[in-house]
Amino acid sequence: EAQVTQNPRYLITVTGKKLTVTCSQNMNHEYMSWYRQDPGLGLRQIYYSMNVEVTDKGDVPEGYKVSRKEKRNFPLILESPSPNQTSLYFCASSLTGTSSYEQYFGPGTRLTVT
Amino acid sequence: RKEVEQDPGPFNVPEGATVAFNCTYSNSASQSFFWYRQDCRKEPKLLMSVYSSGNEDGRFTAQLNRASQYISLLIRDSKLSDSATYLCVGASGSARQLTFGSGTQLTVLP
Repeated sequence: EAQVTQNPRYLITVTGKKLTVTCSQNMNHEYMSWYRQDPGLGLRQIYYSMNVEVTDKGDVPEGYKVSRKEKRNFPLILESPSPNQTSLYFCASSLTGTSSYEQYFGPGTRLTVT
Repeated sequence: RKEVEQDPGPFNVPEGATVAFNCTYSNSASQSFFWYRQDCRKEPKLLMSVYSSGNEDGRFTAQLNRASQYISLLIRDSKLSDSATYLCVGASGSARQLTFGSGTQLTVLP
């Protein structure tokens, strides 16, 4: 089944404790992206990657890191989480060689930082 | 000002009603537009693309007016299963940037 998976789905952590949220897709998509969703603000892009070893900042990159060592994986790293990073996080992927902008989203990771 | 603005609702309509959502965008460089649907606490999924000529998919009709920078979604004969949040989305650039509105919440009542 074609899908984007994220782990963990739910995480409660404390300020300053490094964490990684994994994202993996099995559709051979070049493009991958991370978003956070907050009430009243909609989805905002954190980082994106056009292909392996190519990453770039989105609208709200502060406090986050990413890497793209393999085509299928795009982990999101919070080196020192803070309470304002409490949010619902989505990973997404899409093809780049077509005119379609459709992005396929993972199920989401609900993160709480206390 | 947000790049993509939507009326957040909520819209509460009876089954069978016709409901329309509107969206405005400020980035004239936006090339393509879409409506995504998001069920409560779930991931967004593409509902339909929006074309200047208007396009229809069953009970759903989308329209784009580039001169007014305005996008609409019309849902006819609403079903209970249409209850969700509808996200207006603009896309631009070779980096495939998607800009999301904050969503319009629809509840279809029996």
